[in-house]
Amino acid sequence: GNSVTQMEGPVTLSEEAFLTINCTYTATGYPSLFWYVQYPGEGLQLLLKATKADDKGSNKGFEATYRKETTSFHLEKGSVQVSDSAVYFCALSSTGANSKLTFGKGITLSVRP
Amino acid sequence: DVKVTQSSRYLVKRTGEKVFLECVQDMDHENMFWYRQDPGLGLRLIYFSYDVKMKEKGDIPEGYSVSREKKERFSLILESASTNQTSMYLCASSFQVAGQGARGLRDGYTFGSGTRLTVV
Repeated sequence: GNSVTQMEGPVTLSEEAFLTINCTYTATGYPSLFWYVQYPGEGLQLLLKATKADDKGSNKGFEATYRKETTSFHLEKGSVQVSDSAVYFCALSSTGANSKLTFGKGITLSVRP
Repeated sequence: DVKVTQSSRYLVKRTGEKVFLECVQDMDHENMFWYRQDPGLGLRLIYFSYDVKMKEKGDIPEGYSVSREKKERFSLILESASTNQTSMYLCASSFQVAGQGARGLRDGYTFGSGTRLTVV
């Protein structure tokens, strides 16, 4: 079955540091890939997505590239801010008529001033 | 602004009570989902629905049931609440473009803000 593996957390960075959050997946067919963000006390929000190999999703300074050869979708940001402190989830969509998302366990990012 | 609205942000219930968690979406989405979120376990799918009056079990359906009488509303029911059901509950909805498989889920899921349920 489908699965998503995220690096262990939590991650603590200083403001303006470079961020990489690793995500690898196992899936049949050609899934779409997503990153979601959850700010404290809120639900999940779609951060970015990619629907086919070599696609790059980007939003709010975050980027991730769909790498089929390494089955990865790592999230990166060149300079993090305190406001980026949140929980980040990687997810993939199943194939089939009604796609479901499979989520990774999430990783907590804390950015200190 | 499209929304998924969960009726309560915080809820405290007693063991053995029947609990209803309500979720309403205004996007005319066919698909709706209930997850619970627990530290270290991520999101776990409880139930989902692809159409009115239709429901399917997710990964952890035990102790829960659902109701979807109208397209916009998906209710999660805890038949007899127990302390191990203390959790954050998240509702989500999605739109699927027919005939495109995984790529048909173009915008992923839209989530509600969650209901933090405490069973005492």
